[in-house]
Amino acid sequence: NAGVMQNPRHLVRRRGQEARLRCSPMKGHSHVYWYRQLPEEGLKFMVYLQKENIIDESGMPKERFSAEFPKEGPSILRIQQVVRGDSAAYFCASSFSESAPLHFGNGTRLTVT
Amino acid sequence: KQEVTQIPAALSVPEGENLVLNCSFTDSAIYNLQWFRQDPGKGLTSLLLIQSSQREQTSGRLNASLDKSSGRSTLYIAASQPGDSATYLCAVSETMDSSYKLIFGSGTRLLVRP
Repeated sequence: NAGVMQNPRHLVRRRGQEARLRCSPMKGHSHVYWYRQLPEEGLKFMVYLQKENIIDESGMPKERFSAEFPKEGPSILRIQQVVRGDSAAYFCASSFSESAPLHFGNGTRLTVT
Repeated sequence: KQEVTQIPAALSVPEGENLVLNCSFTDSAIYNLQWFRQDPGKGLTSLLLIQSSQREQTSGRLNASLDKSSGRSTLYIAASQPGDSATYLCAVSETMDSSYKLIFGSGTRLLVRP
């Protein structure tokens, strides 16, 4: 009865590299959400996906960030050409339906050197 | 634009004390409010969820109240224990259709000293 699984737990990238963060939702959940927690700030919504569809990306930065949730496999948050300001904890959450409570994973801590 | 503020930012108390954490939000038109607990290096655990029509929710030693008109919520922890040490986050959602879009405060870091 695993919860939301995120990997890797920690990721270090040099400026200009790409970062790929993975999220496997809870069993039976088809709604996935990504949040970002910058140092000393609250979590902020980034994107909401259902299988193969982006439902709401109003919190995603316009450039370098993308997300997908394919028919098979985990959801991926991709950050191209990372900069130091991308250093943060990225949390994934999932839910059974759009209005159901969110269940959060343990996050991926991204450090850009 | 909805903003959520939590006071204090950090709190240190001796074991056994009753304590209150505060959360305020700028726009009273909310759908619900949640309190979460975040342990270092871990994810968020939902503690209590209060719908906008409710005044309070209780779970064990925890009690959360909501005063929507004044834009405030409090989390009351009775008989605090060292295991309660964590960061407590308050979050609101504004509509049912966007209930997944939580707006978080920056949290209160609680340390309960043995």
